[in-house]
Amino acid sequence: LAKTTQPISMDSYEGQEVNITCSHNNIATNDYITWYQQFPSQGPRFIIQGYKTKVTNEVASLFIPADRKSSTLSLPRVSLSDTAVYYCLVADDKIIFGKGTRLHILP
Amino acid sequence: DAGVIQSPRHEVTEMGQEVTLRCKPISGHDYLFWYRQTMMRGLELLIYFNNNVPIDDSGMPEDRFSAKMPNASFSTLKIQPSEPRDSAVYFCASRAGWAAYEQYFGPGTRLTVT
Repeated sequence: LAKTTQPISMDSYEGQEVNITCSHNNIATNDYITWYQQFPSQGPRFIIQGYKTKVTNEVASLFIPADRKSSTLSLPRVSLSDTAVYYCLVADDKIIFGKGTRLHILP
Repeated sequence: DAGVIQSPRHEVTEMGQEVTLRCKPISGHDYLFWYRQTMMRGLELLIYFNNNVPIDDSGMPEDRFSAKMPNASFSTLKIQPSEPRDSAVYFCASRAGWAAYEQYFGPGTRLTVT
């Protein structure tokens, strides 16, 4: 079971680009990398998933280097409403959540 | 689709009482997961089902916890007897298939055991 390591917390300002990096040194060949977002008093919500290189959707971008031992979630031009906990997961048969990164956006 | 539905949204009970949490997954999803979230331990996977069959219950903390899925549209998580340390938010999530890593979470049930 691949384990992920990500910063406990981060602060940023409105309008900035935020990059959250996650380490997953023991990722298996078949594993995908998935990120979830959780707002207070809500369940986690899927943001983005990727296998290698770069994936982009309307919410975020995900950068995965060739060795796949890490990944970076990029949130462009954050707003106060992006304040949340962000979880990096390496998906296998059961999705295990770590403690996540608590992102706090300041005005 | 209404998404994953959980009930009740809030539950306050006294130590020793039985608590039953309910979940209705998204129609067509064949995986169902129960999680527990606390500040200290984060989001913990308790048990998950595939096609109504429990696959892995290694996260269930002890025998006081039990979960059932009698059909594809309903699951329960029962705690008997409840203890103050069981106070947490309990989430149910469903997923459409093995390769679909995206899970859809319900709003959660906030359980307080006094």
